[in-house]
Amino acid sequence: GENVEQHPSTLSVQEGDSAVIKCTYSDSASNYFPWYKQELGKRPQLIIDIRSNVGEKKDQRIAVTLNKTAKHFSLHITETQPEDSAVYFCAASFNDYKLSFGAGTTVTVRA
Amino acid sequence: DTEVTQTPKHLVMGMTNKKSLKCEQHMGHRAMYWYKQKAKKPPELMFVYSYEKLSINESVPSRFSPECPNSSLLNLHLHALQPEDSALYLCASSLAGGPVGNEQFFGPGTRLTVL
Repeated sequence: GENVEQHPSTLSVQEGDSAVIKCTYSDSASNYFPWYKQELGKRPQLIIDIRSNVGEKKDQRIAVTLNKTAKHFSLHITETQPEDSAVYFCAASFNDYKLSFGAGTTVTVRA
Repeated sequence: DTEVTQTPKHLVMGMTNKKSLKCEQHMGHRAMYWYKQKAKKPPELMFVYSYEKLSINESVPSRFSPECPNSSLLNLHLHALQPEDSALYLCASSLAGGPVGNEQFFGPGTRLTVL
């Protein structure tokens, strides 16, 4: 089955700086890559996703890039704010209902 | 209505109790999911219903019994649970499987404690 590795496990950044989280996947057939943000005590929230026919996608301060050849994808958050502090999960999926999640990255934005 | 709702928010039960978790969505989604999540870990898939039929059971112990009465409702019946079953139980829904329907939207979860 699909195996997704996520790094780093924790990330501390100064407010206003950028944050980057990287994930690698094993199944070259995976074609859907969502990112979820989970604040403490809250539900996982889909913040951005990308499909394998696209190399990059942006939504305001958030962007995701995908390198199919290398089988890795990354989340970029620019101009970080305290409300960006949360656990972020990447995931990969191949045309079915299963999402294979990474282990998560705890992001702390220091004011 | 653009959200997945879950009840109850919190549940404490003994190992001999029978209880049920409820999930509801009115977004017209035809796939519904149960996940289990331990603290600081990713959600673990338990069950998937597609068009009200159970399509995936991730080898979940029989003390967890899912039910999908209709396209908007999903239940998880609990019986004879163990303390290690204490976790956040998340429901999710999506339009359907396949290349255009993978976006899964999560409910707020039920925090379950088994004594």
